[in-house]
Amino acid sequence: NAGVTQTPKFQVLKTGQSMTLQCAQDMNHEYMSWYRQDPGMGLRLIHYSVGAGITDQGEVPNGYNVSRSTTEDFPLRLLSAAPSQTSVYFCASRTGGPYNEQFFGPGTRLTVL
Amino acid sequence: QKEVEQDPGPLSVPEGAIVSLNCTYSNSAFQYFMWYRQYSRKGPELLMYTYSSGNKEDGRFTAQVDKSSKYISLFIRDSQPSDSATYLCGSPEGSNDYKLSFGAGTTVTVRA
Repeated sequence: NAGVTQTPKFQVLKTGQSMTLQCAQDMNHEYMSWYRQDPGMGLRLIHYSVGAGITDQGEVPNGYNVSRSTTEDFPLRLLSAAPSQTSVYFCASRTGGPYNEQFFGPGTRLTVL
Repeated sequence: QKEVEQDPGPLSVPEGAIVSLNCTYSNSAFQYFMWYRQYSRKGPELLMYTYSSGNKEDGRFTAQVDKSSKYISLFIRDSQPSDSATYLCGSPEGSNDYKLSFGAGTTVTVRA
């Protein structure tokens, strides 16, 4: 199993550009989430999904869109990049219910100039 | 204010020392708690979780929860350089177990 994979690993954007961060998992997990990690702020939840076709907002959703058309994929779209979106982005997946481990991808380092 | 607050560190300790990491939480609905370890430039990995108040041991690691004071701790005994990482505490938001709240993380360096 590849686990949770993310592409790209690194990305530099100019202000106003749009892009999609890709996330895929091969563990048949129902739940998938996107986090951003900033110094001193820890992991903050952007959007999450509890199954194909079902998504909801997390703590910091503004400026980001998600969709979940399949169990495996959960892309994160930046609509119009801003310097405040410079961060490390992690995708994660888990099986529903308590005590189930959340698996994180390796992260995407995004810089917005 | 974040629902989970974590001592920011960083911590630097000599090899063999005991490392003590602490978090507090504000939401009484939090029922179980997790510690994740994150090596530099990697994604977090689950270290251990605990449900009830009291201690849970796993090798050199002990997780402690005091629900009366809303306090979570992780102790690392006989610390090794390989324990150098950022440690994050977290909890699902009550019955909404698909939303996990995390502390900001504490970076630990164990000096050889």
